[in-house]
Amino acid sequence: DAGITQSPRHKVTETGTPVTLRCHQTENHRYMYWYRQDPGHGLRLIHYSYGVKDTDKGEVSDGYSVSRSKTEDFLLTLESATSSQTSVYFCAISQPSYEQYFGPGTRLTVT
Amino acid sequence: GNSVTQMEGPVTLSEEAFLTINCTYTATGYPSLFWYVQYPGEGLQLLLKATKADDKGSNKGFEATYRKETTSFHLEKGSVQVSDSAVYFCALSEAGGGADGLTFGKGTHLIIQP
Repeated sequence: DAGITQSPRHKVTETGTPVTLRCHQTENHRYMYWYRQDPGHGLRLIHYSYGVKDTDKGEVSDGYSVSRSKTEDFLLTLESATSSQTSVYFCAISQPSYEQYFGPGTRLTVT
Repeated sequence: GNSVTQMEGPVTLSEEAFLTINCTYTATGYPSLFWYVQYPGEGLQLLLKATKADDKGSNKGFEATYRKETTSFHLEKGSVQVSDSAVYFCALSEAGGGADGLTFGKGTHLIIQP
């Protein structure tokens, strides 16, 4: 299994609070991604990174920001959480032109 | 833009039955195609892949052939087991799996009854 961890694994927070999810890899892969999984939608890309300090938006980036200050860490921040951001969040990693490997996921509930 | 369409299910089969999960795609270039599997409470695992037309990906008894003429990548298995119960996702990448991420279908929930 690829060395990908996500923290926390579960979180309950209130509307309007900031939330940061962390993805950590030990594989030294160049690319990192954040997806959200919702019933009836499959997985949708939020943001991705193609190197340290290099990030770009995905399909559903509104309300989310990311940072990557080290190769191994990719942070996803919800500046002011809303109920529509209740979801399961997955981090993934890859090398150029290779398949993606996924972390175990973080279940976020916004009340 | 890119898109992937697959049956959502649930698809319910008896053990040892033949499985087909259909997947069709729309892409502007020449994508790579993937099947991922998700077991309950877990992340996604790569099941198989194909990177060019007529390639056949295979793993654990599952196989899928990249058909450019029909823009399809149907997943098949000759004899399913209860342990194959999971959600299966078809996905594509224009960049071969890196760069700008994967486009997923909505997932097919497969239930195998003993």
